[in-house]
Amino acid sequence: DQQVKQNSPSLSVQEGRISILNCDYTNSMFDYFLWYKKYPAEGPTFLISISSIKDKNEDGRFTVFLNKSAKHLSLHIVPSQPGDSAVYFCAARGNAGNMLTFGGGTRLMVKP
Amino acid sequence: GAVVSQHPSRVICKSGTSVKIECRSLDFQATTMFWYRQFPKQSLMLMATSNEGSKATYEQGVEKDKFLINHASLTLSTLTVTSAHPEDSSFYICSAGPTGEDGYTFGSGTRLTVV
Repeated sequence: DQQVKQNSPSLSVQEGRISILNCDYTNSMFDYFLWYKKYPAEGPTFLISISSIKDKNEDGRFTVFLNKSAKHLSLHIVPSQPGDSAVYFCAARGNAGNMLTFGGGTRLMVKP
Repeated sequence: GAVVSQHPSRVICKSGTSVKIECRSLDFQATTMFWYRQFPKQSLMLMATSNEGSKATYEQGVEKDKFLINHASLTLSTLTVTSAHPEDSSFYICSAGPTGEDGYTFGSGTRLTVV
C-alpha cells in the first residue's frame, strides 16, 4: 500500500516556465512533508519542507503548497531552469518518528 | 552543513560473496541512520532504521540475516549484504541525523552490482 504517491512519472517543461510537481498521501498521521531532488547515482538532496500546520512555504524559486483536506502537496518551481532537470521525490514523516516515506518520484526535464 | 559520506560509491562483486557499505557522518553525531534501497526507476524504499548502540529495526520483507546493519558509533553505520545474489543488485543509500531543517542528510549512495 503506497502511502505517498506521485502519479506523474515524468514532466517536461520549457525553460522559464513554471514546473508543478504533485504528490498525494493517504496517511493522516503524516505531519511533515519534504521534497528532495535526485540526480542519477547520487543521494537525494533536500529542497524544501512544510509542516502540516502551514499551507505554503517558499524558498527562492521553490514553493511548496499543502492541502491537508485533500491530502495533497505540490512543488512549484518558477522560473524553471535546465539545471532543475532531475528526479524529484516527495516524502512524508509521521509524528511517531523520523522515518521518511517516499513517493515514487517524478522526472522533470526542463528544455532550453 | 551536515555531511554524510558513503563508501564505496560503486562495487561489483561475485555472487555468494559479502559486501560492506559504510555510512559516516563527518561533522555531526548521528543517533539514527536509515538505510534505503532504490531499484531502477523506482522510489526509495526504507530497509531499516538503526540507532546507535542498539539493534536495527527492519522493515517488513527485509531479511535481517541477509542485510546486516551495525551502528556501533555515533558517526558510523555499516550495511553488509551477505551472500549476495544478482537480485541484490541495486542502489543503496543511507541517511543520518538528526541535523538541520530536514532532519536527515543523505549519503551519495552505493551502486551494487552482483555478477
